[in-house]
Amino acid sequence: QSVLTQPPSVSGAPGQRVTISCTGSSSNIGANYDVHWYQQVAGAAPKLLIYGNNNRPSGVPDRFSGSKSGTSASLAITGLQAEDEAHYYCQSYDRSLSNVVFGGGTKLTVL
Amino acid sequence: QLQLRESGPGLVKSSETLSLTCIVSGGSINSGFDYWGWVRQPPGKGLEWIGSIYSYSGSTYYNPSLKNRITISVDTSKNHYFLKLSSVTAADTSVYYCATTRGYSYPVDYWGQGTLVTVSS
Repeated sequence: QSVLTQPPSVSGAPGQRVTISCTGSSSNIGANYDVHWYQQVAGAAPKLLIYGNNNRPSGVPDRFSGSKSGTSASLAITGLQAEDEAHYYCQSYDRSLSNVVFGGGTKLTVL
Repeated sequence: QLQLRESGPGLVKSSETLSLTCIVSGGSINSGFDYWGWVRQPPGKGLEWIGSIYSYSGSTYYNPSLKNRITISVDTSKNHYFLKLSSVTAADTSVYYCATTRGYSYPVDYWGQGTLVTVSS
């Protein structure tokens, strides 16, 4: 059971918008620790998608955006493309556990 | 461009010690700005932070659930750092990634390609 809760799967048709939630608690996201998001395609290492809640590294399309409110964060993907099919993970820090924590991951299927 | 590459046995026997090396290239491991860590991913499952070392001071930060079995160390002369996980069981079968960050609340900036370690009985 992950400290950060994500839906196991989401899906959408090409061109649509999808969101992936990441729900934490007052000891991690709610304690004002930043949330980061990664994209992992099959057989590859994770790739940083969003850092510091809502910042995109160079090279990440602006179709990807992040937000944070209270004890939750969200990743939004607009203009869905076939190449977006992957697993997505959120990451933060938990002060009670004194540990970096990840969400359980969400599989995005492009229909 | 910083590059990380994991090296070590792909098969470890149950109850023995898993030992991996992360080879760092394209930058100095003793830069004083980065935390050098490990993340693992059991087949078909999610990511788990194992721990990290701040090479400048040698301070280590371990996942509490693994703390009694982990040792992370660094050899700055070789630009390598290491993971040892003792008393392994089948539950430790995972892809192990080198990962570097600027601190505990920062993202992983660079990842290794990952190496699968299988624990056999």
